[in-house]
Amino acid sequence: NAGVMQNPRHLVRRRGQEARLRCSPMKGHSHVYWYRQLPEEGLKFMVYLQKENIIDESGMPKERFSAEFPKEGPSILRIQQVVRGDSAAYFCASSPLNPKGSGANVLTFGAGSRLTVL
Amino acid sequence: QQPVQSPQAVILREGEDAVINCSSSKALYSVHWYRQKHGEAPVFLMILLKGGEQKGHDKISASFNEKKQQSSLYLTASQLSYSGTYFCGTETDYGQNFVFGPGTRLSVLP
Repeated sequence: NAGVMQNPRHLVRRRGQEARLRCSPMKGHSHVYWYRQLPEEGLKFMVYLQKENIIDESGMPKERFSAEFPKEGPSILRIQQVVRGDSAAYFCASSPLNPKGSGANVLTFGAGSRLTVL
Repeated sequence: QQPVQSPQAVILREGEDAVINCSSSKALYSVHWYRQKHGEAPVFLMILLKGGEQKGHDKISASFNEKKQQSSLYLTASQLSYSGTYFCGTETDYGQNFVFGPGTRLSVLP
């Protein structure tokens, strides 16, 4: 069981470039969450997805940010035209979303992708 | 809406106890507690579902007061390994998104 896999672990981009962060959920997990964490701060919710469907994107900035979770392959968080303020650690978490009443819905986090914008 | 955590930070000596609180203005389905060490991913500690249950393992336990939408994490006889930032995560209904509090930084000194 490989756990939640995120790559790249570290990414350096210049202002105006694009950043793509990938997340492969744990085997058997159908739901993915993305969080952003600035240094010494908390986990800020960005988006919640299941396969081919965005469930909640209320935490996503309206411009430059997008996320997808295709039928095949990892979930991708895409940041276009990056700015210095996008520098942060981006964590992905996955959950199985068991049927209600059959167990707790626990998130498992990946190791994070650290984006640095020069 | 983000839950509120208190205190923001706490410093303990090994063997001392600590309580970390989490409260929400919304009705909650569940409260989750995670611990994150510097530069690492958050690690799941425990979950509490509405019903006012109390859970624990080893010397870490937690309670959930459904009526007040409050949860508390209790760390007894703290160990050096308990150092880190503790986050509560809340879920307003099953299958909804998880929102985390700002975190409580715990430092355990020898």
